[in-house]
Amino acid sequence: DAGITQSPRHKVTETGTPVTLRCHQTENHRYMYWYRQDPGHGLRLIHYSYGVKDTDKGEVSDGYSVSRSKTEDFLLTLESATSSQTSVYFCAINDRGPTYEQYFGPGTRLTVT
Amino acid sequence: AQSVSQHNHHVILSEAASLELGCNYSYGGTVNLFWYVQYPGQHLQLLLKYFSGDPLVKGIKGFEAEFIKSKFSFNLRKPSVQWSDTAEYFCAVYNAGNNRKLIWGLGTSLAVNP
Repeated sequence: DAGITQSPRHKVTETGTPVTLRCHQTENHRYMYWYRQDPGHGLRLIHYSYGVKDTDKGEVSDGYSVSRSKTEDFLLTLESATSSQTSVYFCAINDRGPTYEQYFGPGTRLTVT
Repeated sequence: AQSVSQHNHHVILSEAASLELGCNYSYGGTVNLFWYVQYPGQHLQLLLKYFSGDPLVKGIKGFEAEFIKSKFSFNLRKPSVQWSDTAEYFCAVYNAGNNRKLIWGLGTSLAVNP
């Protein structure tokens, strides 16, 4: 395993509440990613980070923000959760080597009611 | 825009059947190519990768894939599937212009009947 943990693993929340998901890595990787996975849509990139305090938007960033104050932690915040944000969220890190594969955390299943 | 196409969305096979899952990408330059597997309820795991050299790459659990540059393809194969291969399979592509982001296919759901 790549030394990635996500918390919480499961969460149920109500529409309109803020939610923060945490991704923690022990590998000291520079690049970290947040994806959401939905049936029929595969994996979609929400935000990614290329270093402490360096982040950028992915293809589905609306309604989400991220922060990275330490190399090991990458936080994803749903500012005001909506039912369309019900999904499984995966964090990933990028390998240091020249081949660019990503390694994934166990995922967080979020349900917005 | 760059894209990755996985032609088979759902595949159902019987045990011992041969498997081939198609993957085509749209970028014309140098690419790194990946197949990931996601078993039910689990996260994605790297199955195999290609970045240079022999275009026929072997991965874990008896899987292999062939990179055919002229066809922009990276098809996944296994000569004899098992029930435990039931999973979702994702193809992904990296190229140097993507700032370490992967372009993902939508996935292929494989069900293997015992």
